[in-house]
Amino acid sequence: QQQVRQSPQSLTVWEGETAILNCSYENSAFDYFPWYQQFPGEGPALLIAIRSVSDKKEDGRFTIFFNKREKKLSLHITDSQPGDSATYFCAATSSSFSKLVFGQGTSLSVVP
Amino acid sequence: GPKVLQIPSHQIIDMGQMVTLNCDPVSNHLYFYWYKQILGQQMEFLVNFYNGKVMEKSKLFKDQFSVERPDGSYFTLKIQPTALEDSAVYFCASSIDRANQAPLFGEGTRLSVL
Repeated sequence: QQQVRQSPQSLTVWEGETAILNCSYENSAFDYFPWYQQFPGEGPALLIAIRSVSDKKEDGRFTIFFNKREKKLSLHITDSQPGDSATYFCAATSSSFSKLVFGQGTSLSVVP
Repeated sequence: GPKVLQIPSHQIIDMGQMVTLNCDPVSNHLYFYWYKQILGQQMEFLVNFYNGKVMEKSKLFKDQFSVERPDGSYFTLKIQPTALEDSAVYFCASSIDRANQAPLFGEGTRLSVL
């Protein structure tokens, strides 16, 4: 059972555009949603995270929008740079869970 | 900043052999995890470990798998015997508290079973 889903599987944007990566989940108990960025050959690194009590979290060019009612969230990357080209994983958990549940990832390519 | 170190970065072994993957977690972290990733795809949870015990394991954590952290040293994942389908990148992670604090991941060990 896929508890966390991401779309699209891959995304290509031009440098300077806004990339929008989507994520949805099934378990209403999830209340913490970290996004990880992974470059080829490296481990995933925490990029930004949001708790379900908020509907928006911003950190520089990265913003998470969260809709609890629809169980959806999205990561917006404004002014995309070639260095942002990576795979982005949405994950979910809660205080009653002992693990992160990951989505399948979105591979982002930013073209100069 | 703090880092999770994984040794070795790449391991090649013959099917049926034993392999031990080593992880040096962040010093003040209490929760430890192993995840499996194939071909840069989804991160699959294997097991987590706290206070010397396995807290939870997934279906991917076969009977041939075991974890331990003797005397606060490396947190290890042992596979005995290995199978071809065990070929993957294995990521170790650690966190101060449960996963609600976004675990810190290592760089991974690429395991190739021939």
